[in-house]
Amino acid sequence: DGGITQSPKYLFRKEGQNVTLSCEQNLNHDAMYWYRQDPGQGLRLIYYSQIVNDFQKGDIAEGYSVSREKKESFPLTVTSAQKNPTAFYLCASSRGLLRTQYFGPGTRLLVL
Amino acid sequence: AQTVTQSQPEMSVQEAETVTLSCTYDTSESNYYLFWYKQPPSRQMILVIRQEAYKQQNATENRFSVNFQKAAKSFSLKISDSQLGDTAMYFCAFMTTGGQDQGAQKLVFGQGTRLTINP
Repeated sequence: DGGITQSPKYLFRKEGQNVTLSCEQNLNHDAMYWYRQDPGQGLRLIYYSQIVNDFQKGDIAEGYSVSREKKESFPLTVTSAQKNPTAFYLCASSRGLLRTQYFGPGTRLLVL
Repeated sequence: AQTVTQSQPEMSVQEAETVTLSCTYDTSESNYYLFWYKQPPSRQMILVIRQEAYKQQNATENRFSVNFQKAAKSFSLKISDSQLGDTAMYFCAFMTTGGQDQGAQKLVFGQGTRLTINP
């Protein structure tokens, strides 16, 4: 089946720890995105990537990093510099930047 | 900067009724796309409907239709014959076609409307 997968479903971070959220898609989409959702709020863009080996900061990139070494994969690292990481993280992909975005099931990140 | 406003934080209707969710947006662009996404309790974002600003005809997908008023910058979603499975958060989102500024091609989301369908 074609789709977007995110893992893990739940992730716990200790103080000062970096954690990496996985996002994989087999839709052959060129563009991929990471969003953060806080309770009762809409989504805010963290990073996006149009093609392999290229990515751009979104509105709230501070404390996060990404890589795009393969077309199918766009992992997000939440670094220790992100002081308030507790949120729901959604990955999305699209055929191009002007195309409809389709979302994965999300990862809930909690701080211990 | 583009903004999207959903003025109804919560709505509740009975099963089989029709409900309309409001959305307004602010942009100086003339060409753009508008979307409604649904987020059920599972929290996965699901595309409901999409509208291109250059199309005058309102988009329709089965029980879901939009009322797109470009001059008023309004994009409401109508759900007919509502079902229990329609219970979800609904987000309106906006995307410009950009130009030189590639950052303008991102999706901008409203705050959402929590819709409950009661049996």
